[in-house]
Amino acid sequence: DGGITQSPKYLFRKEGQNVTLSCEQNLNHDAMYWYRQDPGQGLRLIYYSQIVNDFQKGDIAEGYSVSREKKESFPLTVTSAQKNPTAFYLCASSSQTNTGELFFGEGSRLTVL
Amino acid sequence: RKEVEQDPGPFNVPEGATVAFNCTYSNSASQSFFWYRQDCRKEPKLLMSVYSSGNEDGRFTAQLNRASQYISLLIRDSKLSDSATYLCVVNSYNNNDMRFGAGTRLTVKP
Repeated sequence: DGGITQSPKYLFRKEGQNVTLSCEQNLNHDAMYWYRQDPGQGLRLIYYSQIVNDFQKGDIAEGYSVSREKKESFPLTVTSAQKNPTAFYLCASSSQTNTGELFFGEGSRLTVL
Repeated sequence: RKEVEQDPGPFNVPEGATVAFNCTYSNSASQSFFWYRQDCRKEPKLLMSVYSSGNEDGRFTAQLNRASQYISLLIRDSKLSDSATYLCVVNSYNNNDMRFGAGTRLTVKP
């Protein structure tokens, strides 16, 4: 079945460590997104990519980095520069950039100890 | 002021009840509107788009009021399986402009 796969589902990290969250899709979608969800807040856009080898900062890109070397893959690195990294991270993709329908992965829950 | 605001709830209703959620948005240039459903500790999934003329999908009805800048979701004959958080989403043009509300939590009880 087509879909978006995120890994790991749960991750614990010590302060000062970088961690990379994986996101793979086999939906043949051009656009991919990374969101962060915190309790009591809406999803906030970290980075997005509309095409391979291109990506743009979202609203809260500081302390994060991404790459888009393949259409199927859009990994997110949470660096030690991110002040409050503990959150639920959601990767999404869409077939077009203006339909409003996003397909989400199951999410990665990162906890910094 | 948040760009998209929702009553966080929780709304606790008995099975069979009718429940309505409202959502207000601040950007008058917003073009597209959606309701997503998110189950506990799961990813959001599109429930329905919201059209200017209003639209219905089974027990769910969505309305848009551009003049007052709010959208609504009505659920009739609530089922236990409707228990979830409902996210209001507003889009200006591109998907990277999508703004999510914090969600309204619904619990339907037997």
